[in-house]
Amino acid sequence: DQQVKQNSPSLSVQEGRISILNCDYTNSMFDYFLWYKKYPAEGPTFLISISSIKDKNEDGRFTVFLNKSAKHLSLHIVPSQPGDSAVYFCAASVYGNKLVFGAGTILRVKS
Amino acid sequence: DTGVSQNPRHKITKRGQNVTFRCDPISEHNRLYWYRQTLGQGPEFLTYFQNEAQLEKSRLLSDRFSAERPKGSFSTLEIQRTEQGDSAMYLCASSLARTDTQYFGPGTRLTVL
Repeated sequence: DQQVKQNSPSLSVQEGRISILNCDYTNSMFDYFLWYKKYPAEGPTFLISISSIKDKNEDGRFTVFLNKSAKHLSLHIVPSQPGDSAVYFCAASVYGNKLVFGAGTILRVKS
Repeated sequence: DTGVSQNPRHKITKRGQNVTFRCDPISEHNRLYWYRQTLGQGPEFLTYFQNEAQLEKSRLLSDRFSAERPKGSFSTLEIQRTEQGDSAMYLCASSLARTDTQYFGPGTRLTVL
């Protein structure tokens, strides 16, 4: 039972353009959502989060959008940089407990 | 703050051997989590501690797995009688409180031959 899904295994974007990574969830009890970035042989690095009481959160080049009715969230990176190339994981939790992760999306930013 | 640290970073063992991993969380973080990640998948929850109390264990955590956090600081994860299916990246994360962000360590890569 995959409660968090990232349906795009990979995404390729030109440097300077927008990267949009998508995530869908099925558990309506999830109330906290996060995005992590992961390089090979390293642990996930926290990027940005959003509570279910909000529909948007921004931090520099990163913006997360939450659509609760569609059970969908997305991460926008503008402008994309080659250093953003990594695997991006969407994660969700119920009241801040254990995280449930998606399978990840590989982002490649071409220079 | 130095972040979450994990040791060893890599472990190669033969099937049937026991292995133990250590996690040192960010100081003063009272929540500590263990996750496992296999190739092509996201991390999967194994267990977590609030201070020294182990509050939840996943059904992924078979009887061969045991975790401790004896003084509410560092934690150990032991796998007894390792199997090839245990080969994975074992990740530790910590948070200051339940509703705070979980910060991950670099992981321990286990290879069972």
